[in-house]
Amino acid sequence: QKEVEQNSGPLSVPEGAIASLNCTYSDRGSQSFFWYRQYSGKSPELIMFIYSNGDKEDGRFTAQLNKASQYVSLLIRDSQPSDSATYLCAVYPMFSGGYNKLIFGAGTRLAVHP
Amino acid sequence: GAVVSQHPSRVICKSGTSVKIECRSLDFQATTMFWYRQFPKQSLMLMATSNEGSKATYEQGVEKDKFLINHASLTLSTLTVTSAHPEDSSFYICSARGGLAGAKQSYNEQFFGPGTRLTVL
Repeated sequence: QKEVEQNSGPLSVPEGAIASLNCTYSDRGSQSFFWYRQYSGKSPELIMFIYSNGDKEDGRFTAQLNKASQYVSLLIRDSQPSDSATYLCAVYPMFSGGYNKLIFGAGTRLAVHP
Repeated sequence: GAVVSQHPSRVICKSGTSVKIECRSLDFQATTMFWYRQFPKQSLMLMATSNEGSKATYEQGVEKDKFLINHASLTLSTLTVTSAHPEDSSFYICSARGGLAGAKQSYNEQFFGPGTRLTVL
């Protein structure tokens, strides 16, 4: 089992819709969760982080964390073509000694079509 | 978020030469820096973790004598690809983590530089 799993996609949504990106992780003791956006040919950009169960909103983005289900998601409201990118889920697992190195999922490619 | 720069952004070199890539945290002190490599259409691959003033920790399968990492200060880490070969051609990305109390980012968050595209002929 991979430590951080994401559906590779592509996830195709129409402009203006809600895009829902999902991620599961294997280390139950994980404490910190991050979402990065990576445009083709560019480096990842941190867009959200969440540490507590529940929802965290920032503009059009909402991160959701459910530690009991070992599940973290990212919702993008009013999706725009400029949101088309690969979204990487990243987790700090406890087994690595706590806050050591992020474990990345392989990423989900999002395509927002006009 | 915090700003991390990389230099150069793009480099083309001949096989057998060495290439140095610099990574700087511009507005915070990076206690830890990470070096990644990414091949086209593939996932990020962590190469090594470096803490300021100590030796880097390399991931399994990464040759430490080929990829020399120096983290001499809290704002600068360098990666030197020694005796580069065409198979080393890739997108090299650094990231940095760390900060002072009251800084605009917490210790946990990791920020990436813009990357360096290396082409070895």
